[in-house]
Amino acid sequence: EVQLVESGGGLVQPGGSLRLSCAASGFTFSSYWMHWVRQAPGKGLVWVSRINSDGSSTSYADSVKGRFTISRDNAKNTLYLQMNSLRAEDTAVYYCARTTPSSSFFDYWGQGTLVTVSS
Amino acid sequence: SYELTQPLSVSVALGQTARITCGGNNIGSKNVHWYQQKPGQAPVLVIYRDSNRPSGIPERFSGSNSGNTATLTISRAQAGDEADYYCQVWDSSTSDVVFGGGTKLTVL
Repeated sequence: EVQLVESGGGLVQPGGSLRLSCAASGFTFSSYWMHWVRQAPGKGLVWVSRINSDGSSTSYADSVKGRFTISRDNAKNTLYLQMNSLRAEDTAVYYCARTTPSSSFFDYWGQGTLVTVSS
Repeated sequence: SYELTQPLSVSVALGQTARITCGGNNIGSKNVHWYQQKPGQAPVLVIYRDSNRPSGIPERFSGSNSGNTATLTISRAQAGDEADYYCQVWDSSTSDVVFGGGTKLTVL
């Protein structure tokens, strides 16, 4: 059974940092592109970042470029999102999700982890 | 950047057909995917590549895509279909993922 389990969310002050993790199981993690998607309270889905299968290529939404870093450890089947210089508008549930290199849709999602940026 | 436009809300009578649109410039040339999200839950893929249903998704869910509009159709709507629905594409010009703003479906 495919499972994606996020962790690392919590309350952080503006300007602070947080690292999210997404533990994957039930599939060959190293064969899939991985993404972070976020959803502010009461708002829609917003794509944040993606990383290719071997970690050699990444991409970011303009709103997080230069502040967030996506990475992965295929040996540990884990995806990461390092979030620095956090702002109130980064408050959201953060989901990890997977796509294959040949597809552009998310077939599995994690349950999400809440990040709250507030003083 | 590429933009997708969805109506904020759609209402449908129980047992009738709901249609949720997703507008975008020449969206018919792209693969469109649809997700269902119920309160407090993660999104679930219901249609991929315009009109394909993942395993476990009822045949009542179908999709089409042409010109500047993609459409998710839910036949014989049930109370359990009440949810937010999002369309999504891959913007090849930027290699980024784009979501529509989401549509709240209400079953009356």
